[in-house]
Amino acid sequence: IAGITQAPTSQILAAGRRMTLRCTQDMRHNAMYWYRQDLGLGLRLIHYSNTAGTTGKGEVPDGYSVSRANTDDFPLTLASAVPSQTSVYFCASTPSPGNTEAFFGQGTRLTVV
Amino acid sequence: QKEVEQNSGPLSVPEGAIASLNCTYSDRGSQSFFWYRQYSGKSPELIMFIYSNGDKEDGRFTAQLNKASQYVSLLIRDSQPSDSATYLCAVPTLKGGYALNFGKGTSLLVTP
Repeated sequence: IAGITQAPTSQILAAGRRMTLRCTQDMRHNAMYWYRQDLGLGLRLIHYSNTAGTTGKGEVPDGYSVSRANTDDFPLTLASAVPSQTSVYFCASTPSPGNTEAFFGQGTRLTVV
Repeated sequence: QKEVEQNSGPLSVPEGAIASLNCTYSDRGSQSFFWYRQYSGKSPELIMFIYSNGDKEDGRFTAQLNKASQYVSLLIRDSQPSDSATYLCAVPTLKGGYALNFGKGTSLLVTP
């Protein structure tokens, strides 16, 4: 099925643990994004990648890292999780950066305890 | 101040009425504007986009853009209970590599 897939769909994680959220798309989109969504704060950009091999920081990058080794995959890593990283995480992609429709994954609900 | 502003609501309208959702943005250079709908527990999905001043209609939905006033709106005609959701306004931002910058969303409730 064409689209964008995130894994896991939900996770409870102990504080201090390392966690990688996976995101894979099969639409050959050049640009990919990670957002977090928190009640009252809306969707906030964590990191982005405009093409394979490049990444950039968004609005709230601290505590997160990303890599873009190929076009399809854009994993998000929490090196040492903290409770404030409890959120719903969405991965998204667009055919090219800007001015085009973003397609979203189904989201990962992460709880850090 | 967030670059894309929306009233959080909730906006409550009766079934069959017109729902009007508003959004303002701060970057005068913005060229494209998007409206997403998000049901509770689901991911955002695109409803409409608009690039030019004026109105753009798609079925029951009309997007209106006024670049001089830095204002974009979404009208939903003949509102249905299934339209009850959060509506997100989004504008590409140069700061984020042209990633979409979202407003906090307006919660719409259509009552039968």
